[in-house]
Amino acid sequence: GESVGLHLPTLSVQEGDNSIINCAYSNSASDYFIWYKQESGKGPQFIIDIRSNMDKRQGQRVTVLLNKTVKHLSLQIAATQPGDSAVYFCAETTSGSRLTFGEGTQLTVNP
Amino acid sequence: DTGVSQDPRHKITKRGQNVTFRCDPISEHNRLYWYRQTLGQGPEFLTYFQNEAQLEKSRLLSDRFSAERPKGSFSTLEIQRTEQGDSAMYLCASSRGGGRGYEQFFGPGTRLTVL
Repeated sequence: GESVGLHLPTLSVQEGDNSIINCAYSNSASDYFIWYKQESGKGPQFIIDIRSNMDKRQGQRVTVLLNKTVKHLSLQIAATQPGDSAVYFCAETTSGSRLTFGEGTQLTVNP
Repeated sequence: DTGVSQDPRHKITKRGQNVTFRCDPISEHNRLYWYRQTLGQGPEFLTYFQNEAQLEKSRLLSDRFSAERPKGSFSTLEIQRTEQGDSAMYLCASSRGGGRGYEQFFGPGTRLTVL
């Protein structure tokens, strides 16, 4: 499953499928980007980050891609599990100051 | 390392009352941030500290809001004369800061309801 365009409020996938969540950022001076996962009633949980001098970074089941030319960020989740169901936010910052968050995407994983 | 903690987790107050929230960051983290989050939106930046110095404040932080970090460890966020529009989740985050790391780790938040 993949979110269409630059922002889609909801994304529904089948368990075991790969998920792609997209995000557009606004500040060309941002040098650091983070993806957060937020479950209902909880604070955002750090998933993966990437610096502006990179275009790809991989973690455990997650990959972040950065395209600075079009100011676009994506999060790929491999073999999506029901526990991955949450709202996902991208965030950008310059030199570790304030984070500016995108609007978020609600990921629902169907068993 | 027990993570960022916040107290209280929930606060219900009447309009016009003052409230104070506390945040304890991850030990050895120099930077401490406050954000506000309303339902269905991403967190919005309020202010942040480098040690005890308040380095930046958002326009969202009206004169009814004040934040302190007196000893460079825990921080408090006070809202005076609360309004119904102040109802939100107040999130605290901390990071090592500078070249030691930009990752911001969040606490569980304090949910404020103003009646």
